[in-house]
Amino acid sequence: QKEVEQNSGPLSVPEGAIASLNCTYSDRGSQSFFWYRQYSGKSPELIMFIYSNGDKEDGRFTAQLNKASQYVSLLIRDSQPSDSATYLCAAITGNQFYFGTGTSLTVIP
Amino acid sequence: GAVVSQHPSRVICKSGTSVKIECRSLDFQATTMFWYRQFPKQSLMLMATSNEGSKATYEQGVEKDKFLINHASLTLSTLTVTSAHPEDSSFYICSALQGSQETQYFGPGTRLLVL
Repeated sequence: QKEVEQNSGPLSVPEGAIASLNCTYSDRGSQSFFWYRQYSGKSPELIMFIYSNGDKEDGRFTAQLNKASQYVSLLIRDSQPSDSATYLCAAITGNQFYFGTGTSLTVIP
Repeated sequence: GAVVSQHPSRVICKSGTSVKIECRSLDFQATTMFWYRQFPKQSLMLMATSNEGSKATYEQGVEKDKFLINHASLTLSTLTVTSAHPEDSSFYICSALQGSQETQYFGPGTRLLVL
């Protein structure tokens, strides 16, 4: 079982809709979680990190962490075509980083 | 956010030559940096973890004698691909760990093409 798992997608949403990206992790000891966005041909860029249970909002992005169920999600409100990218979930367990394989998102104009 | 640079951004070399890639954290000190490789349409693959002042830790299957890593200062790590071959052609990405947030910040990547 992988440490961090994501549905590879592709996920398609219409412009203006809410895109919901999900990630599960296997180790209950994981303490910090990250969402990165990677455009095709580019390196990942950090969108958000979350440590505590609940929601964390930053502009159109909301990260949600549920430690009891061991999942992390990223909601993108008012999706734009420029949000089309691969989204990577990552978790820290101890001093190890674990990345998911990424979910491909396409926002259809 | 923290800024990480990589140089060069793109390199083309002949088979058998060595290529050095630099990774710098520009506005923070990083005791730990990571080197990844990514083939087209595939996931990031961690190659090694670079710690300032000590030997790098390589992932299983990564040849340490082929991919030489030096982390000589708190702001610079280098990856040298020795005796490069066409199958080494890939997108090499470094990241630096910002300790206060325990967050990885990625460099822009280096695209290597070995002819």
